[in-house]
Formats: sequence, structure tokens, C-alpha cells
Amino acid sequence: EVQLVESGGGLVRPGGSLRLSCAASGFTFSTYWMSWVRQAPGKGLEWVANIKEDGIKDYYVDSVKGRFTISRDNAKNSLYLQMNSLRAEDTGLYYCVRDGGGSYNNWFDPWGQGTLVTVSS
Amino acid sequence: QSVLTQPPSVSGAPGQKVTISCTGNSSNIGAYYDVHWYQHLPGRAPKLLIYGNRHRPSGVPDRFSGSKSGTSASLAITGLLAEDEGDYYCQTHDSGLSGSVFGGGTKVTVL
Repeated sequence: EVQLVESGGGLVRPGGSLRLSCAASGFTFSTYWMSWVRQAPGKGLEWVANIKEDGIKDYYVDSVKGRFTISRDNAKNSLYLQMNSLRAEDTGLYYCVRDGGGSYNNWFDPWGQGTLVTVSS
Repeated sequence: QSVLTQPPSVSGAPGQKVTISCTGNSSNIGAYYDVHWYQHLPGRAPKLLIYGNRHRPSGVPDRFSGSKSGTSASLAITGLLAEDEGDYYCQTHDSGLSGSVFGGGTKVTVL
């Protein structure tokens, strides 16, 4: 069974940092692009970042560029999101997702259960 | 404000058909990128419903169907069931933003 399990969320003050992790199992992790998608309270889904199979290319939504870094360790079947200079508007549920269909026509399947990030003083 | 425009809500009686539109522009849907649809039920993780404009993953009932034309796409739900209540999102790639974009989401209510 394909499974994605996120961890690392929590309460952090504005300007602080947090590192999210995602443990993948049930598929050949090193052959898939991977993404992070978030949902702010009461809002819709927002794609945050993705990373190529070998980790040499990554892309970000404009609002997190320069603050967030996506990375992966294929030997550990793990995906990460390093979040620095956090703002209140970064608050939300962060989902780890597997990309299907290639880099430009990619869909997201499956989704993890999410890890909650709260940025507040 | 989302790059892809969806109606905030649609509703229908059990057994009826509802349709959700997703309108983009020449940088996303109109640029021939595929549209995908997700179902997000309360308390659950989002689930892929339609990929590649019209394809259903294994296990998704054929009551759900997708289509795309020009700068818009649609999701149709026929034979509406109470268990279909939730939020539905469209998603595609945007060349101007160099990444994926979602619609604002549509809440489906079964009357």
C-alpha cells in the first residue's frame, strides 16, 4: 500500500523555523517527483513546492521563494520542507503528495494526512 | 484570489446531476495543460478524482466525469449521493507561475 506520513509540524513564533518530514512507503520513491501542498484554515488548497526525482530541480510558489527549501533523501525514502522566516500566513495543514504524470501535467496522488503548522506569537 | 475560478458552491437533490466549472486562461488550461480534480471530504485527506482531464483512477465511480474545452474544464457528478458532500478542487500547471495552481474550491451540498 502506498503511504505518506508527515511529521514535524507545531507551534512556532513569527520569524522562526520548522522542518517538516514525510516518510514514503509502498512505492519506488526515487522515481517520482514529490510536492508539498498546504491548506490555510478555512481556505483552499495551495501548491507550495516540488522536487524532481533526483533532487536536482525544485520549484516554489512565489510566496515562499527564498524562505522555504524542499529536499529529499532517496536512500531514506523521505521528503523534507525546511521553512524559515515563518509568517502568520504560513499557518495551515501541510500535505506531502506524490506527483504523477510528469513535471508539467502532474497530478497529486496519494496524499498524506497532513501535519499542522501554526505561526503565532 | 485563485488563478483558476470555480463557483463557491453548488447543490442538488439525491440522484440529481451537478456540474462544477473551472475557468483559467492562456497560461494554464488554455495552454493545453491537463486539468485534474480532487475531492476533499470533511476530516479526510484530499483524494484524486479525475486526472488528465477525463480519466478516473481505479476505484472512483463512473458517476464522476471530467471534460475540458478551451480555457475551461468541468467536473460532473451524476446520481448525487449524501456521501458526495464536500469540497472539490481543480488543478493544473501554469506556465507564467512555473508551478501548479488550484481553483478556489467548490462546496457540494446534497439537499
